[in-house]
Amino acid sequence: SQQGEEDPQALSIQEGENATMNCSYKTSINNLQWYRQNSGRGLVHLILIRSNEREKHSGRLRVTLDTSKKSSSLLITASRAADTASYFCATDASGTGRRALTFGSGTRLQVQP
Amino acid sequence: EAEVAQSPRYKITEKSQAVAFWCDPISGHATLYWYRQILGQGPELLVQFQDESVVDDSQLPKDRFSAERLKGVDSTLKIQPAELGDSAMYLCASSLGRLAGEKLYNEQFFGPGTRLTVL
Repeated sequence: SQQGEEDPQALSIQEGENATMNCSYKTSINNLQWYRQNSGRGLVHLILIRSNEREKHSGRLRVTLDTSKKSSSLLITASRAADTASYFCATDASGTGRRALTFGSGTRLQVQP
Repeated sequence: EAEVAQSPRYKITEKSQAVAFWCDPISGHATLYWYRQILGQGPELLVQFQDESVVDDSQLPKDRFSAERLKGVDSTLKIQPAELGDSAMYLCASSLGRLAGEKLYNEQFFGPGTRLTVL
């Protein structure tokens, strides 16, 4: 079953605009990760934020984590047409003995040139 | 740059036939995962290996699916017999799977996937 719920399910913006995607999850976590998937391809890891971190930056990416609300957001600044892809949040649950990630249903981002 | 290899990339089969997928993880990665991704959804774990041992196969339909990682390196996922509902992308991923500092962070590296179509 999917742990995370992404919001929105689909997002269409113009090149140069910022894109914000949100993720909510249900259980306690060790860390939360964001992945990108181009159509018909495998997933590519973008960024990992630990449960004791609140914000993290990587290039044009900014991720926030609010463990009290069990939510995270991914901001892509100055978007480019090449950012068009599906974006998934994935949680790494702590204290369960499992290390597999639980993925959300994804946000499909379309960046119009 | 090291990558996870998967083959075949595409597979079309008829229902009731047997299919097999192969995955070669990044060298040195102890943990290997097989995920199934239905179109429009996120990946869902089928089976997780730590070295050659199965750690989690609770979501693997064991009446028709089997997975092995005999030498703790590459892995094979088999479906027999295939059903129409098995049509999906099958993704393999690997992670270092060993303690690094205080905690184990399992950033996962994915292969390109195998797109299965069952007719």
